Amino acid sequence: DADVTQTPRNRITKTGKRIMLECSQTKGHDRMYWYRQDPGLGLQLIYYSFDVKDINKGEISDGYSVSRQAQAKFSLSLESAIPNQTALYFCATSAAGAHNEQFFGPGTRLTVL
Amino acid sequence: KQEVTQIPAALSVPEGENLVLNCSFTDSAIYNLQWFRQDPGKGLTSLLLIQSSQREQTSGRLNASLDKSSGRSTLYIAASQPGDSATYLCAVPDNDYKLSFGAGTTVTVRA
Repeated sequence: DADVTQTPRNRITKTGKRIMLECSQTKGHDRMYWYRQDPGLGLQLIYYSFDVKDINKGEISDGYSVSRQAQAKFSLSLESAIPNQTALYFCATSAAGAHNEQFFGPGTRLTVL
Repeated sequence: KQEVTQIPAALSVPEGENLVLNCSFTDSAIYNLQWFRQDPGKGLTSLLLIQSSQREQTSGRLNASLDKSSGRSTLYIAASQPGDSATYLCAVPDNDYKLSFGAGTTVTVRA
């Protein structure tokens, strides 16, 4: 089984709808991250969490919220989806401590019509 | 803010040729640099992580070099195969422990 899983893998929704993307990991890592990737661009950090009680905004957090339900689970929500949130979304994890290697999930392709 | 650049954006080579992928970064005070592979519609697979104290890191046909002072890393893939066709991304951590990514180089290896 994959160490980092994301659900759903693909989602098409309409403008104004609320969407939740889920991430689970079995690596036992404390740190979890949400990134988005747009065509031709690198990944941009949306939110990150160093543990269940420590959640931080990344560089593009507007329009998004997160919930760290447990060490192994980190969810990303779009409260009211808009078309420019159409992108590929990745969850990642890393061990505690600075600058550790990050491991990525398979991604969720989200289309907002 | 760390800026990471990858040139070229796309590369096409015949099978068997060696691949050279470039990554440059603006802030040389990095702790490590990570190279990833991304297949279409799939996630990122970590290929190599090279620490700031290292000059090179090798895994099979892959070799990554790091020159912190000039802000550059190079990923070499020897004897390319069609299965090496993918997008390759480099990334460096910044002070917030997030990764700053380049836009990637898309490689096509022609059989």
